[in-house]
Order: sequence, then structure tokens, then C-alpha cells
Amino acid sequence: KAGVTQTPRYLIKTRGQQVTLSCSPISGHRSVSWYQQTPGQGLQFLFEYFSETQRNKGNFPGRFSGRQFSNSRSEMNVSTLELGDSALYLCASSGRDSGTGANVLTFGAGSRLTVL
Amino acid sequence: AQRVTQPEKLLSVFKGAPVELKCNYSYSGSPELFWYVQYSRQRLQLLLRHISRESIKGFTADLNKGETSFHLKKPFAQEEDSAMYYCALSLNSGYSTLTFGKGTMLLVSP
Repeated sequence: KAGVTQTPRYLIKTRGQQVTLSCSPISGHRSVSWYQQTPGQGLQFLFEYFSETQRNKGNFPGRFSGRQFSNSRSEMNVSTLELGDSALYLCASSGRDSGTGANVLTFGAGSRLTVL
Repeated sequence: AQRVTQPEKLLSVFKGAPVELKCNYSYSGSPELFWYVQYSRQRLQLLLRHISRESIKGFTADLNKGETSFHLKKPFAQEEDSAMYYCALSLNSGYSTLTFGKGTMLLVSP
């Protein structure tokens, strides 16, 4: 079973630009959530999508947005980039583990964004 | 508001020594707690969850509601246990929305 795939893995942008990150969940998983990881703040929840609807949202400004498509793939967008947006953005998909039956959150490798 | 606190940024032990990674939480509801681990150059992955009462790679964690703690323990540390460990609290029954602690780096020396 393929894992969670995130693209691009690395990107560099300048202040004021916008960026779109993509996430393909594990096949069959309908929930996709996004996290921002920085050395200072650690891992922070951005938002979660389920069946193309935003189900939960973290405490981030409106410059951070996302969407989910009918095939469960998700994108997140950050507009008007600031230096502080430099981070590793992690995507995770959630679904029932075939072995245990429990819900499992599986993370991708992340997209590392550097804002200059 | 919910919060997860891991008081130690770094824990350094020798191989064979016992390990305890501390985690305290504040949450008004019934918590669902997890430990995630990130080995060098690998993805963040689930280590264990409190509802399963399982032991993974020799690690165990017990939820203490009275002390609002979920400490991770292993009786004899191995070098391959060296990694970043995150305690996390779930905000929803689907476990897809997590509040993480800042993490503790565990270094096990030979």
C-alpha cells in the first residue's frame, strides 16, 4: 500500500508570493489533515478535510487555506508569504488500519518551504 | 484549551539504562493520548496509543488521569531508540486532529 505522498518536497519562495502544496492520501483514506512544523512552535494543526469538507481548523490566519478533491487528494495554499511561514508542512491521512481496525493517522514526508 | 507539555527537550542515557519520557496534558474532556516517534531522516510515525494498552519496541505508557500524565517508559534503552519523541492528544474521535507537545530528543549512547 503506497504511503502518503507530498509534493513538492522542497521549495523556495520570496515574501509576498503564494504557494500550493499537494498531498495524496493512502488509498481508501478519506480524511486529510495538515500540520506545520517549526523549531520554535513544534507541530501545529492547520486544518482537516473529510469528504471535500473542512471538518476542523487550527488557529492560523486566513492566508492559510486548503481544499480536498473528490479523490481525497488535498492541497493547501499559503498566500502573501511571510518569513515566519518557513516550515515543514506535514500532511497526514486517517483511516482504519486493516490489521487492527483502529483509526490510524499516517504522515507524509513533508514539504519544506523556505521563504526568503 | 488543550495543551501537551513535554518538559525535557533532550534526554541522554546510556544503553541498558531505564528511560522515562515525560508528558503532561491539560484537557477538559476525556483524552485520547498517543506517542509518536521520528527517527533520523524518517517520517513521523505512531509508536503507541493509550487505548490499546500495548507495548511497542519495549515501550509502554500509562495514562494517569489524576496526575494528567502519559509518560513513556522503557526498562532498558537501546541505541536504536535514539529519536525525537512527541506526545499528542486527540481532539476528535477519529484521531485526525492532534495537539502535539514540543517533543523530547532521546539520545542513547553505547
